Amino acid sequence: NAGVTQTPKFRVLKTGQSMTLLCAQDMNHEYMYWYRQDPGMGLRLIHYSVGEGTTAKGEVPDGYNVSRLKKQNFLLGLESAAPSQTSVYFCASSYPPGRNNEKLFFGSGTQLSVL
Amino acid sequence: GQQLNQSPQSMFIQEGEDVSMNCTSSSIFNTWLWYKQDPGEGPVLLIALYKAGELTSNGRLTAQFGITRKDSFLNISASIPSDVGIYFCAGHTSGTYKYIFGTGTRLKVLA
Repeated sequence: NAGVTQTPKFRVLKTGQSMTLLCAQDMNHEYMYWYRQDPGMGLRLIHYSVGEGTTAKGEVPDGYNVSRLKKQNFLLGLESAAPSQTSVYFCASSYPPGRNNEKLFFGSGTQLSVL
Repeated sequence: GQQLNQSPQSMFIQEGEDVSMNCTSSSIFNTWLWYKQDPGEGPVLLIALYKAGELTSNGRLTAQFGITRKDSFLNISASIPSDVGIYFCAGHTSGTYKYIFGTGTRLKVLA
């Protein structure tokens, strides 16, 4: 009954370092998303994917890259971390919209601090 | 980015009281979702609504899809200390990938 699993839970980076956040879902969902959550700004979409091998930009994609090589996995990369990327990152997944069964399921989050 | 307006922003209530909160939008949605988020955790889906006027319950929680399709309401009956957290709504339009999230209602329950 894992649902959406994110690793790591916490990470501290120095400015300029790179890292990859891992997300895995076991619900056979086609759609996957990466959000960041900041105080007063709510959840903002970074990138999303509508299926294996496809990715697209959300509203705040700069400084991030993603890959969806397998249906169950969605990776978020920070190429050169900046203090402005200090945030809590959430992965989410869902069935494709239009089946009257739209539900978005979230992982437990990654707290990232960039010094 | 766009956010939905939630009211109230925060509230203190006594244990055992009922709680009401709402979410409003300038756009029409086909789906309304309600989530609870505990500190240090991800949002957990409480209730999903798919039809205007729909009323759905999950234990002590009841949510309604507004008739205008521009609002939704969440009620919690007989609150208990573990109801503490942030509740937020999300709206979705059919055929799109995009979910729009509310600003959140922070609930604090006084024992």
